[in-house]
Amino acid sequence: QKEVEQDPGPLSVPEGAIVSLNCTYSNSAFQYFMWYRQYSRKGPELLMYTYSSGNKEDGRFTAQVDKSSKYISLFIRDSQPSDSATYLCAMSAATGGSYIPTFGRGTSLIVHP
Amino acid sequence: NAGVTQTPKFRVLKTGQSMTLLCAQDMNHEYMYWYRQDPGMGLRLIHYSVGEGTTAKGEVPDGYNVSRLKKQNFLLGLESAAPSQTSVYFCASNRGASGNTIYFGEGSWLTVV
Repeated sequence: QKEVEQDPGPLSVPEGAIVSLNCTYSNSAFQYFMWYRQYSRKGPELLMYTYSSGNKEDGRFTAQVDKSSKYISLFIRDSQPSDSATYLCAMSAATGGSYIPTFGRGTSLIVHP
Repeated sequence: NAGVTQTPKFRVLKTGQSMTLLCAQDMNHEYMYWYRQDPGMGLRLIHYSVGEGTTAKGEVPDGYNVSRLKKQNFLLGLESAAPSQTSVYFCASNRGASGNTIYFGEGSWLTVV
């Protein structure tokens, strides 16, 4: 079992829908939780990160962390076709004094007009 | 500001050939990483560096070597390429030890025939 599990999708939604993307993890030492967006044939770009538990909002995006359940979510409100991409969750814990992130496999999101 | 730059972007190698991928960052970041991304496998860490002159093995280091002679550069070498090394390679850098502000390059597409 991988440390971080993420459903690869694809997840297809109509424009304007609320999207929920999720990851589960097994390592209770993870402290930083991140979401990356990756467009086709491009490198991942950081969308949001949270430290420990709680919620964080940035525009149409909300990240939630539930450490008790080892479950994180990314919500996208009023989804747009330009949101179509692969979304990767990532988590990190101190490893020998360094933080090495572990990535989920990514969920492919398609927002159709 | 170029960020993280990878060269070359595309390369076709014959089995047994050697090559070096170059990663350069202009953000004065301490940490640098090499990942490979394969369909259904997500991002897997090959090697990483926590500072100039240091390197460490990641999840899938076999068949690869790295060097960090200068802080801004991180080189990934394939001594004897194999078809299993056909992949997209991403370099990334991190300004601090938190692992939450990783910046990725645009990727290098490598095909080994």
